[in-house]
Amino acid sequence: GEDVEQSLFLSVREGDSSVINCTYTDSSSTYLYWYKQEPGAGLQLLTYIFSNMDMKQDQRLTVLLNKKDKHLSLRIADTQTGDSAIYFCAESINDYKLSFGAGTTVTVRA
Amino acid sequence: EAQVTQNPRYLITVTGKKLTVTCSQNMNHEYMSWYRQDPGLGLRQIYYSMNVEVTDKGDVPEGYKVSRKEKRNFPLILESPSPNQTSLYFCASSELLGERYAFFGQGTRLTVV
Repeated sequence: GEDVEQSLFLSVREGDSSVINCTYTDSSSTYLYWYKQEPGAGLQLLTYIFSNMDMKQDQRLTVLLNKKDKHLSLRIADTQTGDSAIYFCAESINDYKLSFGAGTTVTVRA
Repeated sequence: EAQVTQNPRYLITVTGKKLTVTCSQNMNHEYMSWYRQDPGLGLRQIYYSMNVEVTDKGDVPEGYKVSRKEKRNFPLILESPSPNQTSLYFCASSELLGERYAFFGQGTRLTVV
């Protein structure tokens, strides 16, 4: 099945860490992605992880993958106001299709 | 600069009036897709194309048509738009997914009244 679920809203104080969680159902997915959508803009790839990895770190971003539980998370360290956006979790269903979650709206408050 | 360009960015139209949303990419990608984004539903694939003259239905193809006559262009056609097609539309292009991830256009916000 192709069902990606994530919570819809997250509010975080500036300077704190944000953690966005996602669950997926297709165990054959080879890549999992995090996309960011700022207001009025398209989708921008933030990071991705190959399914045989447990963790990937890229500057302030840390992706954790628990393949057994089909759970993916994105941690943003030292969250800034520019991190306010909608974050989409996505899995590759096949070579040319992504299945997306509904998106988590992250609001950073001062 | 690598990019996917959609036009128009915003469109308001009336029920039943045929419209086309254009999509063009400059990366020589073989794969192109159309998605629609609706609140609480994320992005759902409408149609995709694996190469010139090769297209197939995604998850929500009803009411849409596409064509792929050239590698760079992948227009989305609504022959008779209805209000339930009011949505935010994204075009994407890629080589095989994986490390060669999908590039997305800026989106087209369509309102059908």
